[in-house]
Amino acid sequence: TQLLEQSPQFLSIQEGENLTVYCNSSSVFSSLQWYRQEPGEGPVLLVTVVTGGEVKKLKRLTFQFGDARKDSSLHITAAQPGDTGLYLCAGNAGNNRKLIWGLGTSLAVNP
Amino acid sequence: ETGVTQTPRHLVMGMTNKKSLKCEQHLGHNAMYWYKQSAKKPLELMFVYSLEERVENNSVPSRFSPECPNSSHLFLHLHTLQPEDSALYLCASSQDSSSGYEQYFGPGTRLTVT
Repeated sequence: TQLLEQSPQFLSIQEGENLTVYCNSSSVFSSLQWYRQEPGEGPVLLVTVVTGGEVKKLKRLTFQFGDARKDSSLHITAAQPGDTGLYLCAGNAGNNRKLIWGLGTSLAVNP
Repeated sequence: ETGVTQTPRHLVMGMTNKKSLKCEQHLGHNAMYWYKQSAKKPLELMFVYSLEERVENNSVPSRFSPECPNSSHLFLHLHTLQPEDSALYLCASSQDSSSGYEQYFGPGTRLTVT
């Protein structure tokens, strides 16, 4: 069974702090996506990484895909309360529509 | 309307009721999905439709019945549900591409079965 493990499960920090969350697997993925979900809403796509070692930046968010395409990280610089939400990673192992989902990291940024 | 819309946003139903969830996508995508999101579980893929043809059915109980009349609309018909079916039901769409089927979600329907 393919699994995506996300860590930490919960994170509560103060505004202005930096943080990194992780998405790990023993399986190789052809691509990996990160989503953010706010309470009462559906997940919103943040980024897709495709190439091993790839780094993508979205304002204060930096996403990295592992060289072996088995893991990924999300780093947030100077977190703001608006970053609060559930961060989900999802991997595509067979280039098909069935994504493998992690349980998510629930982030709370306190003012 | 833009993106993916879902109605109703909240639904409370008894175990003997019949109800339907509706999803509409305004993105011109060629695939639509139903997911179930429960606490402490990963998103569970229920059904996938590509160009109105069902291409994925993940061993979902027959009390859930999907319908895709065209590429923009998707329904989930519910009947004789169980309390454990209470969850957030998410609709999504995607456009087949080399970027790994990026999902665009609606806001979900919060379903409570009493």
